[in-house]
Amino acid sequence: DVKVTQSSRYLVKRTGEKVFLECVQDMDHENMFWYRQDPGLGLRLIYFSYDVKMKEKGDIPEGYSVSREKKERFSLILESASTNQTSMYLCASSPHTGQGNSPLHFGNGTRLTVT
Amino acid sequence: SQKIEQNSEALNIQEGKTATLTCNYTNYSPAYLQWYRQDPGRGPVFLLLIRENEKEKRKERLKVTFDTTLKQSLFHITASQPADSATYLCALGGYSSASKIIFGSGTRLSIRP
Repeated sequence: DVKVTQSSRYLVKRTGEKVFLECVQDMDHENMFWYRQDPGLGLRLIYFSYDVKMKEKGDIPEGYSVSREKKERFSLILESASTNQTSMYLCASSPHTGQGNSPLHFGNGTRLTVT
Repeated sequence: SQKIEQNSEALNIQEGKTATLTCNYTNYSPAYLQWYRQDPGRGPVFLLLIRENEKEKRKERLKVTFDTTLKQSLFHITASQPADSATYLCALGGYSSASKIIFGSGTRLSIRP
């Protein structure tokens, strides 16, 4: 079974701090994604990556950056955390199939609170 | 902009009945539509994928339809059970493996015994 592991389940940070959320997958998947999930808004795509060192902006990239130095690891960085970034963050991965999107495999999320 | 809408209200169904969830989309021509289940405190889990040229897909008690003219997918759970209670999300994807995948906000389904 594919395993997507997010480094923390719960995180509390102060406004202005630099925050790193780490995600590791063990199935050699090319694609990796970061979403945030808020009540009533569903999952919103922040960034995704389809290869090492490649990144693409999603729908809400402002205030975030990402790093993909190794295939199995995709990091989300909040350069200067703000209270409106309090949310559940979900990482996902999927393989390239040459036939369009494959199903996503999600981690169990990191609930970030910014005070 | 691209938009996906799911039943905004929670759905309460008697055990044994068929639950039907709706996913509508606008300003998008997806190659794929996917359905996921999410339990509280957990990440979504993939259930079914249906391609644009497929009308219907089945997996055990689950059935998905995809109407690209209506821009709508219906997700059915037959012979529903309390264990089916969860939030169900639909997601749209593009033609390229590098396409982004966008999600609806989900529908919370409760099956009462």
